[in-house]
Amino acid sequence: EVQLVESGGGLVQPGGSLRLSCVASTFTFSSYEMNWVRQAPGKGLEWVSYISSSGRTIYYADSVKGRFTISRDNAENSLYLQMNSLRAEDTAVYHCATLGYTGYWGRGTLVTVSS
Amino acid sequence: AIQMTQSPSSLSASVGDRVTITCRASQGIGNDLGWYQQKPGKAPKLLIHAASSLQSGVPSRFSGSGSGTDFTLTISSLQPEDFATYYCLQGYNYPRTFGQGTKVEIK
Repeated sequence: EVQLVESGGGLVQPGGSLRLSCVASTFTFSSYEMNWVRQAPGKGLEWVSYISSSGRTIYYADSVKGRFTISRDNAENSLYLQMNSLRAEDTAVYHCATLGYTGYWGRGTLVTVSS
Repeated sequence: AIQMTQSPSSLSASVGDRVTITCRASQGIGNDLGWYQQKPGKAPKLLIHAASSLQSGVPSRFSGSGSGTDFTLTISSLQPEDFATYYCLQGYNYPRTFGQGTKVEIK
């Protein structure tokens, strides 16, 4: 069974930073494009960022561009999201996901931005 | 960015009912559309990819149709485990965009 497990969430003050991780198991992580998707409490799904299988192509939502950085380490089967200059509106559960026709998702990690 | 307009935002239905949810894209996206089901506290589950391809393991009462700008998710006979929120997602370009969601509740 494919597993994606996120970690690194928590409570952070506005303006602070967090680094999220997503570790993949039982599938060939290096072959898959990956994404971060978030969901604010009681709200819908919002796509955040994409990285190609090689890491050479990256996209961001306008709402996080310039503040968040996506990266991956295929040797470690890991995906990352460095989040800087955090705002209250970044409060959400953050999921890593393959999207596309595979549809693998992790259960998510909660990020709360509050003073 | 492509806007995905999903309707209705919520609906009440009974077990056994036929349910239809629609998603309209602000520009043509071919068949690059997926449908997801999400239950409270859980990750979304992919039901349909490429507008009409049933994901492995998903019951055949779920079906998808459409291309270009107009898409439909149909549940032919609603079951108790189908009460959830459903989202469409366009896979045509970046930024990826989701519909606003449709909450299917018990009547």
